[in-house]
Amino acid sequence: GENVEQHPSTLSVQEGDSAVIKCTYSDSASNYFPWYKQELGKRPQLIIDIRSNVGEKKDQRIAVTLNKTAKHFSLHITETQPEDSAVYFCAAIYNNNDMRFGAGTRLTVKP
Amino acid sequence: EPEVTQTPSHQVTQMGQEVILRCVPISNHLYFYWYRQILGQKVEFLVSFYNNEISEKSEIFDDQFSVERPDGSNFTLKIRSTKLEDSAMYFCASKPPVETEAFFGQGTRLTVV
Repeated sequence: GENVEQHPSTLSVQEGDSAVIKCTYSDSASNYFPWYKQELGKRPQLIIDIRSNVGEKKDQRIAVTLNKTAKHFSLHITETQPEDSAVYFCAAIYNNNDMRFGAGTRLTVKP
Repeated sequence: EPEVTQTPSHQVTQMGQEVILRCVPISNHLYFYWYRQILGQKVEFLVSFYNNEISEKSEIFDDQFSVERPDGSNFTLKIRSTKLEDSAMYFCASKPPVETEAFFGQGTRLTVV
């Protein structure tokens, strides 16, 4: 089925440390995998995405890696700051253009 | 910058009443979605809409739900007879016809009492 698994559900790190969130997807996912950040009371907003023709993409302190063989992709945040505290959702676009989300990871960055 | 807009921002309704949540997608987008997020929980897919018809729906999207694109700009979600468990934030999203992100509206918080 069209399913995205995300781990961990909560993650707490010290400011300056790295955070890693992992997702797996099912066979029928297509070639586009976005990551969204949702701050409290706000809409999910895209922070980075990756397409299946690349294995890694980086944007300043944020990077995403994709392992097509294992069907998993990860979000890496380095040098975390308190403003990185939010809920992060991975997602996958399936062949019918439907976007399915992981369950979310609540990241807390402690100052 | 164009954005998806939703109205109302907050709707309170009596159990059993019908509600209509409204969305104006970004104008050149062709794929439209409704998602639901119960407080503190995951973003759950409800339905997708393309070419004036439902392309996919989840098990949540039962006979009490319907969607419509009544004109060239609005995209609505109707819940016919609301239940307490329908209380959630409802997000509309739209996407252009390429492999790229979906853009979310700011959400409508539905409270069923």
